[in-house]
Amino acid sequence: EPEVTQTPSHQVTQMGQEVILRCVPISNHLYFYWYRQILGQKVEFLVSFYNNEISEKSEIFDDQFSVERPDGSNFTLKIRSTKLEDSAMYFCASSGQGANTGELFFGEGSRLTVL
Amino acid sequence: ILNVEQSPQSLHVQEGDSTNFTCSFPSSNFYALHWYRWETAKSPEALFVMTLNGDEKKKGRISATLNTKEGYSYLYIKGSQPEDSATYLCAFMSSARQLTFGSGTQLTVLP
Repeated sequence: EPEVTQTPSHQVTQMGQEVILRCVPISNHLYFYWYRQILGQKVEFLVSFYNNEISEKSEIFDDQFSVERPDGSNFTLKIRSTKLEDSAMYFCASSGQGANTGELFFGEGSRLTVL
Repeated sequence: ILNVEQSPQSLHVQEGDSTNFTCSFPSSNFYALHWYRWETAKSPEALFVMTLNGDEKKKGRISATLNTKEGYSYLYIKGSQPEDSATYLCAFMSSARQLTFGSGTQLTVLP
């Protein structure tokens, strides 16, 4: 069964360092998302991406964050200069019908720890 | 900020008990309501996507109902089994197609 895969599963970084989290969405999906969950808190929307551009982003997704789909298969989230409060579980998701009601398929997450 | 509330936050039931929990969401700008099941160390997995007021969906022992006018959805599990232990997340999809998640109900089924 097709699945969304994410790497790394866990990354530890120093504050101020750049981090890239990678996702391989399901191959025929067109809509891609990043969510995060800070320990003990709700799952929060970061950004959605369609047709090679951001379609929606939340207030959390500030200038420190960027996304791209560099090669037609990977979907990456970059955090330019990490802060302590960026420590969270980051989930990538994809959907075949993002503009409709289609369910999201999630990866298993990348845990980011900022020291 | 959209308010999507789930109750209870956590629930312990005995194997064989039936249980239900609630998701409340804004009654305006409704587009869809999603339910996800999230087991520890795994990724959230979609259970239902509901769009119509009065909708009722069923998957095995799990079912869900939707009331868009009053802004709530119930998830029911009949005859709970230990493998049903998970966090159940609901997510409100607005007319702008953005999903807002509730904080989840953590279900533990005791053998």
